[in-house]
Amino acid sequence: KNQVEQSPQSLIILEGKNCTLQCNYTVSPFSNLRWYKQDTGRGPVSLTIMTFSENTKSNGRYTATLDADTKQSSLHITASQLSDSASYICVVSDQTGANNLFFGTGTRLTVIP
Amino acid sequence: DAGVIQSPRHEVTEMGQEVTLRCKPISGHNSLFWYRQTMMRGLELLIYFNNNVPIDDSGMPEDRFSAKMPNASFSTLKIQPSEPRDSAVYFCASSSRGDYGYTFGSGTRLTVV
Repeated sequence: KNQVEQSPQSLIILEGKNCTLQCNYTVSPFSNLRWYKQDTGRGPVSLTIMTFSENTKSNGRYTATLDADTKQSSLHITASQLSDSASYICVVSDQTGANNLFFGTGTRLTVIP
Repeated sequence: DAGVIQSPRHEVTEMGQEVTLRCKPISGHNSLFWYRQTMMRGLELLIYFNNNVPIDDSGMPEDRFSAKMPNASFSTLKIQPSEPRDSAVYFCASSSRGDYGYTFGSGTRLTVV
């Protein structure tokens, strides 16, 4: 069964600290993995997208890693800011079609001053 | 670019009433998706269109839900009759062929009382 699991479910960190969010998946055959940031009351916004051959990709203070062998991905946030408070959703696509996406339930991150 | 535009942003309706959600995709995008998001289940794909044609509606929960895309710039999701368990945030997203990145709208928060 194709699944995407994220951990932790929620996380509270102090402003300025780093954190790492995890995503494990069983989707096969794998096509790509995306991380989305969803602010409260808004739609998800894409942070990164990685294909099978990519191990790491950065977008500002956000760095995503992918280990296609172990089917794991992480999203590392450096020097967190209050505006990083949001839900972070991991989404994995299989090769049956660009529209076949499997969503994790997200990690709710709260950055406090 | 105004992005994906959804209306209304919030809808409160009584059980049994008809509800229509609207979406304007990004100009030039040929795929449109309707999602439902709840705390318990996260994001779930309801239906998607390719070039205005419904391709996969297997995510539509039951016959009370219907979606149309009469042209490339407009789509509706209708619930008739609505029930309290339909309360959720409904997102519309669009993408172009070969584009890994989806763009989500800001969502419609539906409350059925």
